[in-house]
Amino acid sequence: ELVLTQSPGTLSLSPGESATLSCRASQSITSNYLAWFQQKSGLAPRLLIYDTSKRATGIPDRFSGRGSGTDFTLTISSLEPEDFAVYYCQQYSGSPFTFGPGTKVDI
Amino acid sequence: QVQLVQSGAEVKKPGASVKVSCKASGYTFIAYDMNWVRQAPGQRPEWMGWVNTGNGNTKYSQIFHGRVTITTNTSASTAYMELSGLRSDDTAVYYCARAKYSLFDYWGQGTLVTVSS
Repeated sequence: ELVLTQSPGTLSLSPGESATLSCRASQSITSNYLAWFQQKSGLAPRLLIYDTSKRATGIPDRFSGRGSGTDFTLTISSLEPEDFAVYYCQQYSGSPFTFGPGTKVDI
Repeated sequence: QVQLVQSGAEVKKPGASVKVSCKASGYTFIAYDMNWVRQAPGQRPEWMGWVNTGNGNTKYSQIFHGRVTITTNTSASTAYMELSGLRSDDTAVYYCARAKYSLFDYWGQGTLVTVSS
């Protein structure tokens, strides 16, 4: 099973600042099939980024993803109040599809 | 617009089974696979299994040791997830998630399943 770890566990920032979230895989992710999801309390995860760097429909360009192999990054430039949430990375290169433990971005 | 609407919250006793439904609308049901993912309180999401809605083929996570069954009713554009032998650690929110090439792009609103004696 491909294990994902995320760092930091919590990121305390202010609106207008930028956030850099890290996701590391226990083995190389084929075809860079790595996604990022945002989850707010009581809601389902929402797809932000897929194929490592492609933004999902309707996602603002302040969200960007990069990486390859085993190391991936989500950057949120100029945080908006609605961006404070938990972010999960997920690999879909092969089952079982696995998620990281999440990074909480709070004020 | 794409919508996945799940059935309501359930409370079950240990050892019982639960069946959660997920009704899809706004797209061609059989053009996308359907996955089920659960999330225990404060934990990361956990993939349970997947169904090819076109031919009914399924694949399940081994951690459930045969306790999960995913089915579909294509005429009703609905997918179902049944989990048997419920234990207290099965208490979680259960989500359906549409997928193309295994990418989960739309999710249902979630169904809370509570297992308690």
